[in-house]
Amino acid sequence: GENVEQHPSTLSVQEGDSAVIKCTYSDSASNYFPWYKQELGKGPQLIIDIRSNVGEKKDQRIAVTLNKTAKHFSLHITETQPEDSAVYFCAATFNSGYSTLTFGKGTMLLVSP
Amino acid sequence: EAGVAQSPRYKIIEKRQSVAFWCNPISGHATLYWYQQILGQGPKLLIQFQNNGVVDDSQLPKDRFSAERLKGVDSTLKIQPAKLEDSAVYLCASSPGASFTGELFFGEGSRLTVL
Repeated sequence: GENVEQHPSTLSVQEGDSAVIKCTYSDSASNYFPWYKQELGKGPQLIIDIRSNVGEKKDQRIAVTLNKTAKHFSLHITETQPEDSAVYFCAATFNSGYSTLTFGKGTMLLVSP
Repeated sequence: EAGVAQSPRYKIIEKRQSVAFWCNPISGHATLYWYQQILGQGPKLLIQFQNNGVVDDSQLPKDRFSAERLKGVDSTLKIQPAKLEDSAVYLCASSPGASFTGELFFGEGSRLTVL
């Protein structure tokens, strides 16, 4: 099945700095790569996604890049704020006749004021 | 629009006891998922329903876990008998399409502690 590796497991930055989280996937047929944010006691919430026909996508302070050849994708958060503190999960589709998501292990981002 | 509802939010049981979790997806969403999230890990798919039919239950420990989605709406996930390693948050999610097309909408989860 699909395997999604995510690094780093924890990331501490100062408010205003940038944060980058990286993921690699194993299934070359994967074609959809979302990022979810999970706050304490809540379920994961989609923050941005990218499909395999696009190399980069941006939404305000958040951007995602995809390198299909290398089978890796990254989340970039600029001008971080304390409210960005949360656990971030990358995911990739695993195609076996139908599609389902496989998640990485998560990155705990802490933004200090 | 109401989100995905789950209950109970918290449950503590002894090992070998049974427990059931309930999920009500967003109205009109055809696909429903149950994920298991062990502390410090990402969500792992247990079972996926499309309307009231099972699409994928390959990672469901069928000797102790069962799930059903009657009438293609609400769903229940049951564990019997529970083991210590079942301690986790059980997340229910739904998506609008009959096949996977993008965003999953998650509930807040049901946290299970097995003593």
